[in-house]
Amino acid sequence: EADIYQTPRYLVIGTGKKITLECSQTMGHDKMYWYQQDPGMELHLIHYSYGVNSTEKGDLSSESTVSRIRTEHFPLTLESARPSHTSQYLCASSPKAGVETQYFGPGTRLLVL
Amino acid sequence: KNQVEQSPQSLIILEGKNCTLQCNYTVSPFSNLRWYKQDTGRGPVSLTIMTFSENTKSNGRYTATLDADTKQSSLHITASQLSDSASYICVVSDRGSTLGRLYFGRGTQLTVWP
Repeated sequence: EADIYQTPRYLVIGTGKKITLECSQTMGHDKMYWYQQDPGMELHLIHYSYGVNSTEKGDLSSESTVSRIRTEHFPLTLESARPSHTSQYLCASSPKAGVETQYFGPGTRLLVL
Repeated sequence: KNQVEQSPQSLIILEGKNCTLQCNYTVSPFSNLRWYKQDTGRGPVSLTIMTFSENTKSNGRYTATLDADTKQSSLHITASQLSDSASYICVVSDRGSTLGRLYFGRGTQLTVWP
């Protein structure tokens, strides 16, 4: 079982609210990732980080932002939630690039009304 | 266009039976191919990772094969169990970037009935 945690697991929120999805890992991994996954669809990379103070946008355009102030913590923030943000958000980490496995958290299911 | 295609989209089998899931990819250059299992409401968990030089790898009742020439992979599940019910995702990594970019398939939804 991977030591990577996400909170909350489920979130229902109204349009226009600011939300932060938390992701923490205790494995000391340098690389962390945020993916968005809709039902029956593939995962899309929205943000990633090589290490502290490093953040990059992924393949899928996203209105969210991330920060990496500590190695173990990689929160994702939506300043103003919209119904189009309804999805599952998965956080992952890996010790380095290449063939190293990515370890995924349990995910946060977000519903924006 | 998704560069990783999986088939079938969904599959129902009886407990104890074997099954094979397919993955075709067009990702180039190629670094490695991974199979993940994703239980409903959970994050994916890695089953196998194969590099270019490997053509088969086993993890318990799961056996993955890779044909890098035809760009095809399969995941064979032997003596299925109810706990095998999940989505199985094929992921291909290129070697074109330091990030080792990952390309995800949409998964095969497997249901094992008693």
